[in-house]
Amino acid sequence: AQSVTQLGSHVSVSEGALVLLRCNYSSSVPPYLFWYVQYPNQGLQLLLKYTSAATLVKGINGFEAEFKKSETSFHLTKPSAHMSDAAEYFCAVSGDAGGTSYGKLTFGQGTILTVHP
Amino acid sequence: DAGVTQSPTHLIKTRGQQVTLRCSPKSGHDTVSWYQQALGQGPQFIFQYYEEEERQRGNFPDRFSGHQFPNYSSELNVNALLLGDSALYLCASSGSDRDNEQFFGPGTRLTVL
Repeated sequence: AQSVTQLGSHVSVSEGALVLLRCNYSSSVPPYLFWYVQYPNQGLQLLLKYTSAATLVKGINGFEAEFKKSETSFHLTKPSAHMSDAAEYFCAVSGDAGGTSYGKLTFGQGTILTVHP
Repeated sequence: DAGVTQSPTHLIKTRGQQVTLRCSPKSGHDTVSWYQQALGQGPQFIFQYYEEEERQRGNFPDRFSGHQFPNYSSELNVNALLLGDSALYLCASSGSDRDNEQFFGPGTRLTVL
């Protein structure tokens, strides 16, 4: 079964500092990988997705993530944090070796990002 | 485009009762997935509906059932509610292609007392 591990349930940065949110996945084949953001009392919004194209994926709001197969990682970064980035971030994976389970997202536990002025 | 809509927004039930949650997909989408998000946790996949049939199912008991209508809207039914069923229930819609993005609704907050 697939699994996703997000290292650090809480990350705190200063406004203007680098944001780095870590995600590792377990999968026997290159999966589809996603980062979602959730603001309080709202649903999930897609930030970016990796679907076997370029390994460096650019998303909305200045976020990007790099797929590293050798490290089974898909870390999310943003060069300069903004106060509006404060939210909870979820890494997710879909797809398996059997070619099924696409559309079934397996999520990590989430990382709450706090941005200090 | 209204996006994915869910109703109701909030719901309070007591143990043993039954509940029905509703979801209307984004225009042009034919696939609906349901997720349960317990407090402080990531969403957990319940099941997915396509062409009015359950296409995939997660590790949830039979108390959780669903339906998809010809207009692609969907219902999630939970019978014999337990305290542990208290969670945010998220609906997501997508096209039928495997790499289609899933668009999430705002969720229904269910509290079981």
